[in-house]
Amino acid sequence: KQEVTQIPAALSVPEGENLVLNCSFTDSAIYNLQWFRQDPGKGLTSLLLIQSSQREQTSGRLNASLDKSSGRSTLYIAASQPGDSATYLCAALNTNAGKSTFGDGTTLTVKP
Amino acid sequence: DTAVSQTPKYLVTQMGNDKSIKCEQNLGHDTMYWYKQDSKKFLKIMFSYNNKELIINETVPNRFSPKSPDKAHLNLHINSLELGDSAVYFCASSQFGGPYEQYFGPGTRLTVT
Repeated sequence: KQEVTQIPAALSVPEGENLVLNCSFTDSAIYNLQWFRQDPGKGLTSLLLIQSSQREQTSGRLNASLDKSSGRSTLYIAASQPGDSATYLCAALNTNAGKSTFGDGTTLTVKP
Repeated sequence: DTAVSQTPKYLVTQMGNDKSIKCEQNLGHDTMYWYKQDSKKFLKIMFSYNNKELIINETVPNRFSPKSPDKAHLNLHINSLELGDSAVYFCASSQFGGPYEQYFGPGTRLTVT
């Protein structure tokens, strides 16, 4: 059974700081790993998807990496802004079950 | 253009009632999902359909019955609602065969009183 853990549960940083969010998974037989953003009372917005054969993906100030062998993914946010404040979720898609397992999320607050 | 839409956005009802939530996607995807996000914000998959066929059925009470009339629609019917059913229900879609990037709807906040 896949288990996904995100550390830290909450993070508060001053504007402009670079930061890293962590995602760990127990079953390395994943097809992909997807990072989402969720604003309060809203749905999930896909940020980045890394397929199992890839090591990283980049979009603007965001960079996500994947290390299947160690069961880890990181989301790097450069030059953080108050608008980045949200909950960030990672989800591991398993090939055998065809379903995604989500972490509990990291709630990020960027202070002006 | 809304990619994945859900109706209603809010649903307040009493225990014992039956209610339905509808989901539609215009992305041309062939796989759709229902997720439940509880009060602690934990998101868990309930069902998944591929081309109208059920492929994932997690341990969900049989009071919950999904129906997919076509691959663009996935509805969720809930019988005999209980207090513990209060949550936000999200619909999502992806394309089978990779890369399986999931797109989520805005959610339906269900409150059972």
